[in-house]
Amino acid sequence: DADVTQTPRNRITKTGKRIMLECSQTKGHDRMYWYRQDPGLGLRLIYYSFDVKDINKGEISDGYSVSRQAQAKFSLSLESAIPNQTALYFCATSLTVSTDTQYFGPGTRLTVL
Amino acid sequence: QKEVEQDPGPLSVPEGAIVSLNCTYSNSAFQYFMWYRQYSRKGPELLMYTYSSGNKEDGRFTAQVDKSSKYISLFIRDSQPSDSATYLCAIVMNTGFQKLVFGTGTRLLVSP
Repeated sequence: DADVTQTPRNRITKTGKRIMLECSQTKGHDRMYWYRQDPGLGLRLIYYSFDVKDINKGEISDGYSVSRQAQAKFSLSLESAIPNQTALYFCATSLTVSTDTQYFGPGTRLTVL
Repeated sequence: QKEVEQDPGPLSVPEGAIVSLNCTYSNSAFQYFMWYRQYSRKGPELLMYTYSSGNKEDGRFTAQVDKSSKYISLFIRDSQPSDSATYLCAIVMNTGFQKLVFGTGTRLLVSP
């Protein structure tokens, strides 16, 4: 079984809709991250969480919110989706003492029409 | 100026060729250097990691860091079709939260 799972893997939605992307991990890592990947822009950090009570904004958090429901679960929400949020979204995890080695999930391809 | 620059490719080579993938970075505070490999429709996976200037070898892969030039490279010897993927460099600044700064990735195609 995969250590970091994301659901859904693909999602098409309409402008203005609220959508939630979910991430679960069985690695036992404290730290979790949400990235988006766009052609020509690479991976950009949206939010990160060091533990259940510690959530921080990344470089592109506007239009997004997150929830850390448990050590193993970290959800990303788009409150009112817009077309320029069409992207690949990745969840990642890391150990506290080695934040540079991040383990990525398989990604969610989101299309906002 | 982007903190990390990487040629997007694609880079097409025949099987068996030596591949050179490169990144440049702008901030001398960057201290840790990594290469991730991303297959189509998959998440990135860590391939190589180094924090010092010089070379680090792992099988057919060699990571090279030149801090004086702010230049990092990944060499792949005897390239295989299974090496076809996007390769992303990632750099860490060792201040507080160790944020990863990714290059945009270079797409590599190895033909049989």
